[in-house]
Amino acid sequence: NAGVMQNPRHLVRRRGQEARLRCSPMKGHSHVYWYRQLPEEGLKFMVYLQKENIIDESGMPKERFSAEFPKEGPSILRIQQVVRGDSAAYFCASSPGNNQETQYFGPGTRLLVL
Amino acid sequence: LAKTTQPISMDSYEGQEVNITCSHNNIATNDYITWYQQFPSQGPRFIIQGYKTKVTNEVASLFIPADRKSSTLSLPRVSLSDTAVYYCLVGVFNDMRFGAGTRLTVKP
Repeated sequence: NAGVMQNPRHLVRRRGQEARLRCSPMKGHSHVYWYRQLPEEGLKFMVYLQKENIIDESGMPKERFSAEFPKEGPSILRIQQVVRGDSAAYFCASSPGNNQETQYFGPGTRLLVL
Repeated sequence: LAKTTQPISMDSYEGQEVNITCSHNNIATNDYITWYQQFPSQGPRFIIQGYKTKVTNEVASLFIPADRKSSTLSLPRVSLSDTAVYYCLVGVFNDMRFGAGTRLTVKP
């Protein structure tokens, strides 16, 4: 039973480019969460999605960041016009969603903005 | 949101039992308590979850007093490989927030 998959594992972008991070939840999971982690800091919640719905995006920056979880395919976290401050590890987690509180995390995508 | 407070860091030695306590004074009735472990450059890994009293699995035990305003993660006989950051989370499935965690260092 494959766990949460994220790709790419490492992503390098120049300032002003776009970054697309993908997350495939565990089989049977319909809820996806995105977190950002700066070096030596804890994870910061960004957004919580179900299939085709954004449930809670209270942690998302107001500009340049967007997320989706389409009916088919992985969840995508999109960062437009990246800046150096976007450099971080981005983790995706999934859960079954039926009042199951356990979130299972992927290995993360490390974004470096030059 | 139920805020959690944990020690920033702890040191221990191999073979000792380690107890990490988390305070969550405004925990809500429906909230569960969940602990995660994170190694450098990896995603958090689920350790244990509970609602009240005591929960035990092959990795750890979780003690929750009757008022549920705190919880204690107990790691029996730690080894060097248990050096990691441990996070205590409180909430229902769509409302959990990670704090800074407790950085546990196990020494030989």
